Amino acid sequence: AQSVTQLGSHVSVSEGALVLLRCNYSSSVPPYLFWYVQYPNQGLQLLLKYTTGATLVKGINGFEAEFKKSETSFHLTKPSAHMSDAAEYFCAVRLIQTGANNLFFGTGTRLTVIP
Amino acid sequence: DTGVSQDPRHKITKRGQNVTFRCDPISEHNRLYWYRQTLGQGPEFLTYFQNEAQLEKSRLLSDRFSAERPKGSFSTLEIQRTEQGDSAMYLCASPTSGAYNEQFFGPGTRLTVL
Repeated sequence: AQSVTQLGSHVSVSEGALVLLRCNYSSSVPPYLFWYVQYPNQGLQLLLKYTTGATLVKGINGFEAEFKKSETSFHLTKPSAHMSDAAEYFCAVRLIQTGANNLFFGTGTRLTVIP
Repeated sequence: DTGVSQDPRHKITKRGQNVTFRCDPISEHNRLYWYRQTLGQGPEFLTYFQNEAQLEKSRLLSDRFSAERPKGSFSTLEIQRTEQGDSAMYLCASPTSGAYNEQFFGPGTRLTVL
């Protein structure tokens, strides 16, 4: 069975500080990995994804994530938080060989940026 | 704007009423997904279509739920005899094709059952 664990339902950082949102997955085979951002009353926007190749993935808005197979992790980072980064962030996995190809999401981490 | 639209954006209904939501995916995408997101949770897969065929349904999709995609374009999700537990955000996703497909999400329909 596959699952996604996001440590910390709420994270607060000061503007300009490092953002670190944690994601660990459980899967019998390495899945495809995604980070999505959701602003209030909106759908989800893809920040970045890992499928194959380079394990350090760069996304939009200055975010990046590193796939670490040995740690089954895909943590999201941004060197310097901006007020506009305040939102809910979801880590998701998709198994490579399933019929539905649907995403399995974590429970989300709400990021607050303190001015 | 992802190119995926959903209507209505908000729906308030009384318990026991039927509701129907619509999703218009990106026109050239032949797959379409429905997810449900309850408060404080991530989205959960409900069902998906390949063109007009509904190929998989989650166990979350009780018999009060039905989804259609009659011409392989827009899709509807109907909930009959709504219950308070149906209150959630219903999201539609339109993925690109290929192995590394990316799912583009609509803005969602927020359902409140009183």
